[in-house]
Amino acid sequence: QLQLQESGPGLVKPSETLSLTCTVSGGSISSSSYYWGWIRQPPGKGLEWIGSIFYSGSTDYSPSLKSRLTVSVDTSRNQFSLRLSSVTAADTAVYFCARHVMTMIRGEGPAWFGPWGQGTLVTVSS
Amino acid sequence: DIVMTQSPDSLAVSLGERATINCKSSQSVFSSSTNKNYLAWYQQRPGQPPNLLIYWASTRESGVPDRFSGSGSGTDFTLTISSLQAEDVAVYYCQQYLSTPFTFGQGTKLEIK
Repeated sequence: QLQLQESGPGLVKPSETLSLTCTVSGGSISSSSYYWGWIRQPPGKGLEWIGSIFYSGSTDYSPSLKSRLTVSVDTSRNQFSLRLSSVTAADTAVYFCARHVMTMIRGEGPAWFGPWGQGTLVTVSS
Repeated sequence: DIVMTQSPDSLAVSLGERATINCKSSQSVFSSSTNKNYLAWYQQRPGQPPNLLIYWASTRESGVPDRFSGSGSGTDFTLTISSLQAEDVAVYYCQQYLSTPFTFGQGTKLEIK
């Protein structure tokens, strides 16, 4: 059974860089059927897609975060990571990693998300 | 960006009764080239991550009870729970995947009446 687990600091200072890693177990990250994504949820609010990555390193980012965002993959460790720079209080959220399932239709990319990690709360505060 | 708007924001239904949640997209998420609607539904129980229920607007994910069903096309979609169970208390989200950025509805909170 595929499982994902987020890890990283729970507290980040304003203007610094938020860094999280997602470890995938029970399956290989090097699958041509999936991207691997990050989604966040501010406390008490809805879901926002951040970005996704293919095992080859190809990425797709939310335009609203693209200038501050780097998503990378380490296939040898079955992990992918998120770096978000110049954070503010608005970046306080629960950050989820998830498998981003491809439609498997020729020429198309990722679609729905599942399964998800449990999520990790990151608070931006001095 | 495609904006997803759900209604109602919250809903209280008696056990065993039907629950209906609506999702409207700001532009069609139907692709004529594939004849598919690029829409998914998720359930998020309190303190838990979201769980995929339905994709392609009406295809139930493996293991999802058949009391959950999805319908609709174009810009208007519905998630129906045919007979509400206590474990269905959750927030439900729709998501479009026709184009990036992938966007979610604001969520509908479902409670027991």
